[in-house]
Amino acid sequence: AIQMTQSPSSLSASVGDRVTITCRASQGIGDDLGWYQQKPGTAPKLLICAASHLESGVPSRFSGSGSGTDFTLTISSLQPEDFGTYFCLQDYTYPRTFGQGTKVEIK
Amino acid sequence: QLVESGGGLGQRGGSLRLSCAASGFTFSNYWMTWVRQAPGKGLEWVANIDQSGSVTHHVDSGKGRFTISRDNAKNSLYLQMNSLRDEDTAVYYCARDPSPSYCSGDSCATFDALDIWGQGTMVTVSS
Repeated sequence: AIQMTQSPSSLSASVGDRVTITCRASQGIGDDLGWYQQKPGTAPKLLICAASHLESGVPSRFSGSGSGTDFTLTISSLQPEDFGTYFCLQDYTYPRTFGQGTKVEIK
Repeated sequence: QLVESGGGLGQRGGSLRLSCAASGFTFSNYWMTWVRQAPGKGLEWVANIDQSGSVTHHVDSGKGRFTISRDNAKNSLYLQMNSLRDEDTAVYYCARDPSPSYCSGDSCATFDALDIWGQGTMVTVSS
């Protein structure tokens, strides 16, 4: 199975900061990657699919980039409601695999 | 929306059947997926199924034990879980996947996009 490794595992940033989360695949996956946000006690929410396509209704401060093995989720200006854990998910091959998550805390 | 049910206490080595009731969209038009999350842990993809129910995929740890299925007439998705293990203890979510296609030049591809999720149902495996 393809391993997805996220970094950092956690971060703390201030409102207005630019935040970058990285996801690395153990082999090339083209642009077959999605990003999800999960807040405590709730189901995940789709942010981005196909590496860079923003889901309808998701604020434009979220963006995704990358292809092959290295991918990035960027929050251009962190907002208080952006706290939570972010996961990447590869859909290049089966079984699909998630990254271990990046916990984002607001300072 | 999606509403899971069927979770609860399952005996080690025993069976449970999870259900996911869909409403508000044409269920038969979508791939569907099960994802689970052990307490305090990350997300794990479990299985998915195509619109007709003829194509299924399962996580390696679930092969031979878990079976995903659907009944489009009942707008329902299922996960039959047999030979339960302690490590199956988790919240189980069902999710809709519209499988969007994007094109770049002459090349188009289909992607996963789990856009609607249920609230989850907790499965606890105990002896």
